[in-house]
Amino acid sequence: GDSVTQMEGPVTLSEEAFLTINCTYTATGYPSLFWYVQYPGEGLQLLLKATKADDKGSNKGFEATYRKETTSFHLEKGSVQVSDSAVYFCALSVPSSGGSYIPTFGRGTSLIVHP
Amino acid sequence: ETGVTQTPRHLVMGMTNKKSLKCEQHLGHNAMYWYKQSAKKPLELMFVYNFKEQTENNSVPSRFSPECPNSSHLFLHLHTLQPEDSALYLCASSPGEASGALAKNIQYFGAGTRLSVL
Repeated sequence: GDSVTQMEGPVTLSEEAFLTINCTYTATGYPSLFWYVQYPGEGLQLLLKATKADDKGSNKGFEATYRKETTSFHLEKGSVQVSDSAVYFCALSVPSSGGSYIPTFGRGTSLIVHP
Repeated sequence: ETGVTQTPRHLVMGMTNKKSLKCEQHLGHNAMYWYKQSAKKPLELMFVYNFKEQTENNSVPSRFSPECPNSSHLFLHLHTLQPEDSALYLCASSPGEASGALAKNIQYFGAGTRLSVL
């Protein structure tokens, strides 16, 4: 079946440091790829997405590029802030026969940014 | 405000109780989902509904019973739960394939119900 593997956390950084969170996937079809973020006490919310090879998703200074050849979708940010502290989930989505989309999520990577 | 509202936010119940979780979306989406989020485990997809019809059931025990009376509301009925069922239960909605939306496969999550089974 489909699966998403992302690096174990927590990732601890100082403010303004460079961030990379690795994500690789396996899928039988041609999935869309996503990064979601979960702040404490909240549900997940979409951070960025990419739907085809070489697409770059970006939002709030975060970026990720859909790399079909390496089946990867690594998340990067050039300069993190304390407010970026959260749990980040890599995910893929494929259409189902029932007309909806079936997502598969990674385990999540906790990011802690210190002042 | 994400457009997906879950109630209650917190629930404590005994193993013999019956309770229900409610999810409501005001986004006009066709698909709705229940997830279980436990500490140190991947997010587990439980059920998927599309146009009120259940399309996915990921081998969830029968003590969890979903109900989707219309495309805007989703319930999760709970009975005779076990302590290991304690978790954050998340509801999500998505436009769905038939929506014609550009972002038809994006998930919109509620804030969740924190469930503790004693």
